[in-house]
Amino acid sequence: AQSVTQLGSHVSVSEGALVLLRCNYSSSVPPYLFWYVQYPNQGLQLLLKYTTGATLVKGINGFEAEFKKSETSFHLTKPSAHMSDAAEYFCAVSGTSNSGYALNFGKGTSLLVTP
Amino acid sequence: EPEVTQTPSHQVTQMGQEVILRCVPISNHLYFYWYRQILGQKVEFLVSFYNNEISEKSEIFDDQFSVERPDGSNFTLKIRSTKLEDSAMYFCATQGTSGSYNEQFFGPGTRLTVL
Repeated sequence: AQSVTQLGSHVSVSEGALVLLRCNYSSSVPPYLFWYVQYPNQGLQLLLKYTTGATLVKGINGFEAEFKKSETSFHLTKPSAHMSDAAEYFCAVSGTSNSGYALNFGKGTSLLVTP
Repeated sequence: EPEVTQTPSHQVTQMGQEVILRCVPISNHLYFYWYRQILGQKVEFLVSFYNNEISEKSEIFDDQFSVERPDGSNFTLKIRSTKLEDSAMYFCATQGTSGSYNEQFFGPGTRLTVL
């Protein structure tokens, strides 16, 4: 079974500062990893994903994440935070079955960006 | 850009009543999912549906829940006899095959309130 752990339920950064949201995964098979963002009263939007290939993946809105197998991590970063980045961020893992596997989400990290 | 749509956006019902939540998947997508998010908690997988049958379900998805794709377009989640603890945001997600492999696109959600 696959699972993810997000360290820190709340993260606060100043506008312009580095954003680092942590995610560690547990999987018995090579995982597919995802970061989703949820703005207030909205659905989930995919930020980026890792399936195979390059371990540093770039997503929308300037976010990127690096898959580190040795550390079982998939941390999300952004060099400079904007006020509009304030949202809930979810790390998720799925298996790689061709039948389509369910996403297993972490508990989420609420990002607060202060002026 | 194609998107997943869900109706209604908000459903209020009395305990014990049946509710049907509807989802219109992205055209040509073959895999369908329901997730729920209880207020303040993480997103939880309920069920996946492929080739007109359930391919995977969680412990949450008990006999009170059912899914179907009645007309080849809509994908529905039925709760036969709602309980207070069914109050949550319910998200539909759909997934294609090649190209967007393993990326699930989420709808905006239906907020279910059970009184």
